[in-house]
Amino acid sequence: GNSVTQMEGPVTLSEEAFLTINCTYTATGYPSLFWYVQYPGEGLQLLLKATKADDKGSNKGFEATYRKETTSFHLEKGSVQVSDSAVYFCALSDLEAGKSTFGDGTTLTVKP
Amino acid sequence: DTEVTQTPKHLVMGMTNKKSLKCEQHMGHRAMYWYKQKAKKPPELMFVYSYEKLSINESVPSRFSPECPNSSLLNLHLHALQPEDSALYLCASSHGDRDTGELFFGEGSRLTVL
Repeated sequence: GNSVTQMEGPVTLSEEAFLTINCTYTATGYPSLFWYVQYPGEGLQLLLKATKADDKGSNKGFEATYRKETTSFHLEKGSVQVSDSAVYFCALSDLEAGKSTFGDGTTLTVKP
Repeated sequence: DTEVTQTPKHLVMGMTNKKSLKCEQHMGHRAMYWYKQKAKKPPELMFVYSYEKLSINESVPSRFSPECPNSSLLNLHLHALQPEDSALYLCASSHGDRDTGELFFGEGSRLTVL
């Protein structure tokens, strides 16, 4: 079956630090890959996505590249802000199965 | 309009009560989902409706009963719940056609079962 493994958290950084959250996946076929973010007290929202190998998703300074050879989709941001404090979920979508698989989530806290 | 709207935002119920959670989207999406999320955990899929028909039930106990009255609405009927059912219940939708599988989530209904 499909699975997504995220680096364990929590992650605590100072403002303007570089962020990497690792994500690797196991899937049959060619899934689409996503990063969702969940701010306190809210639902999940899409941060970025990539639908095929070598695609780079980007949004709000965050980037991730779909690497088929390493089955990875690591999230990066060059300079984090306090407002980036949230839980980040890596996910893949299996269109044949009609459902998504989520990683366990990584809690990011950015301190001023 | 790119929103999924869930009501109520908060619900407290006793174990003998019957209540319902509601979800609405007007993006023309043809797939709708119920997820359950416990604190500090990823969302767990409960049900999927595709073109208003139940397509996935992840072995959810019968005290949870989903309903899709039309393509824009999704309900979750709750009856005889247990305290361990307390959680954030998230509704989501996706295009369903020419789809990447991107999910659009509502803000959730936080349920407390006493």
